[in-house]
Amino acid sequence: EPEVTQTPSHQVTQMGQEVILRCVPISNHLYFYWYRQILGQKVEFLVSFYNNEISEKSEIFDDQFSVERPDGSNFTLKIRSTKLEDSAMYFCARLNEDRDRNEQFFGPGTRLTVL
Amino acid sequence: SQQGEEDPQALSIQEGENATMNCSYKTSINNLQWYRQNSGRGLVHLILIRSNEREKHSGRLRVTLDTSKKSSSLLITASRAADTASYFCATAVRTGANNLFFGTGTRLTVIP
Repeated sequence: EPEVTQTPSHQVTQMGQEVILRCVPISNHLYFYWYRQILGQKVEFLVSFYNNEISEKSEIFDDQFSVERPDGSNFTLKIRSTKLEDSAMYFCARLNEDRDRNEQFFGPGTRLTVL
Repeated sequence: SQQGEEDPQALSIQEGENATMNCSYKTSINNLQWYRQNSGRGLVHLILIRSNEREKHSGRLRVTLDTSKKSSSLLITASRAADTASYFCATAVRTGANNLFFGTGTRLTVIP
């Protein structure tokens, strides 16, 4: 099955700036996830999103983060005021149509660099 | 924390040899999955094994699961240089659309 696509592939921003990372589904999927991977570390769950609402979020996903699907297609992750420690790869994933299998298909990621 | 640990952290083998990576986790699971990540790229789903399964095969991949020991292994047979990547296990703790808990990963290098 095709993966999702993500834009941009690389984002460089100044500390304190807002960034929006985008995930573009290939078809009309309902379940999405955001994960992040700090360089050299494990992949960490941020948030899951179902039918235009947050389904679950981790302790990492604090008030500076938000997700939405503004136009019914693109799925965005917004970081309101970036910190140096937000520098990471951010991956969007969609769920396999067979929910019980919980296979997730990941996008190529956005590398966020906060200066 | 449910997050697992893989060992070894790094593995270097000759092309044609088999590679075995192990994963341990902490709580009960619904299924365990293995993903592959090429350097700087996204994660590619390799194989899923359910908690009631003990072994599964897919091509050159063989996965085992021991729920009593809370561990899994991934065996890649007849390795190729193109298998060079990081391999992660990820656990799902319940059925349905829940998030995955990833392990720390094993960096596999296959020397041609």
